[in-house]
Amino acid sequence: GENVEQHPSTLSVQEGDSAVIKCTYSDSASNYFPWYKQELGKRPQLIIDIRSNVGEKKDQRIAVTLNKTAKHFSLHITETQPEDSAVYFCAASTNTGNQFYFGTGTSLTVIP
Amino acid sequence: DSGVTQTPKHLITATGQRVTLRCSPRSGDLSVYWYQQSLDQGLQFLIQYYNGEERAKGNILERFSAQQFPDLHSELNLSSLELGDSALYFCASSLRAFWGDTQYFGPGTRLTVL
Repeated sequence: GENVEQHPSTLSVQEGDSAVIKCTYSDSASNYFPWYKQELGKRPQLIIDIRSNVGEKKDQRIAVTLNKTAKHFSLHITETQPEDSAVYFCAASTNTGNQFYFGTGTSLTVIP
Repeated sequence: DSGVTQTPKHLITATGQRVTLRCSPRSGDLSVYWYQQSLDQGLQFLIQYYNGEERAKGNILERFSAQQFPDLHSELNLSSLELGDSALYFCASSLRAFWGDTQYFGPGTRLTVL
């Protein structure tokens, strides 16, 4: 099955700096890559996703890039704010795999 | 608020017992997914139902079972509970059975097995 690895496990940045979280996947058939943000004690919330026919997608301060050849995708957060502090999970799925495979999560702390 | 509801919020029970967790999907969504989140295992997919039928199975133990009813709400039954079953259980819903559809998560049920 699919194996999704996520790095780093923890990340601290100064407010206003950028944060980058990277995930790699193993199954070349994976074609959908969502990112979820989970605040302490709360539900995971989808923040952005990308499909395999697109290389980059942006939504205000967040962006996701996908490199299908290298089988990795990254979340970029610019101009970080304290409310960006949370755990971020990447995931990968295929239409045939019928599963979401989640990364192990990155705990992001934005220092005011 | 995602529109997905889960009850109860918290559940404390003893080893060997059986519990039922309930999930109501967003209005119009036909797919329901169940996930387990524990400190050592992270987020793990358990099972998916689509319009009343089991659609996909993940790392669900034989002691666990689920079903989706005609009104599309779903229940996750956990039996012969062990200490290691203590976790947050989330359900999520999406419009179709297609795994590329956005999944909206409920607030979760925190299960503590003593």
